[in-house]
Amino acid sequence: EVQLLESGGGLVQPGGSLRLSCATSGFTFAGYAMTWVRQAPGKGLEWVSAISGSGDTAFYADSVKGRFTISTDSSKNTLYLQMNSLKIEDTATYYCAKGLIRSCYGGLDYWGQGTLVTVSS
Amino acid sequence: DIVMTQSPDSLAVSLGERATINCKSSQSVLYSSNNKNYLGWYQQKPGQPPKLLIYWASTRESGVPDRFSGSGSGTDFTLTISSLQAEDVAVYYCQQYFSVPFTFGPGTKVDIK
Repeated sequence: EVQLLESGGGLVQPGGSLRLSCATSGFTFAGYAMTWVRQAPGKGLEWVSAISGSGDTAFYADSVKGRFTISTDSSKNTLYLQMNSLKIEDTATYYCAKGLIRSCYGGLDYWGQGTLVTVSS
Repeated sequence: DIVMTQSPDSLAVSLGERATINCKSSQSVLYSSNNKNYLGWYQQKPGQPPKLLIYWASTRESGVPDRFSGSGSGTDFTLTISSLQAEDVAVYYCQQYFSVPFTFGPGTKVDIK
């Protein structure tokens, strides 16, 4: 059974940093792309970042480029999102999601329950 | 960036009736090399993460009831729920994964009339 479990969310001041983790199980981690999607309170879904199964290709939304870094640790089957220079508008529930295929250019077939990030002074 | 729009914003349908949601992309998401539309549909119920319903515009995800179907190509797509059930109350999103950023539509809320 595929499982995704996010952690690392919390309250942080503007300009601060957080690292989100997504522990996975139930599939061959290196065989599939992984993605972060966020959802501000009461709002729609926003794609944030994706990394290929091989880990050699990563993409970012313009809104987070230069501030967020996506990475993986295949030995731990874990996805990360390092978030620096956080802004109030980064406040959202952050979901990790498994891709259908190794490439980032595919749908997202399994999602975690999400972790809430609140940026506030 | 490819802009995704959805219509209507919300709809209320009687139990057992058909619900139709439209999704339009600002550029074609059809990749000519493999003739695949890089378009997915997701269902999100309150307090839950999204769930994949349809990928490649018309392929139903395993375990998804066959009352859900996807159609369309290029820039115009449709999600149809052939016979609405109470458990289908949710917000539905389309997403293109043809080009970065992999944008979502704004969502369509489906309720029971």
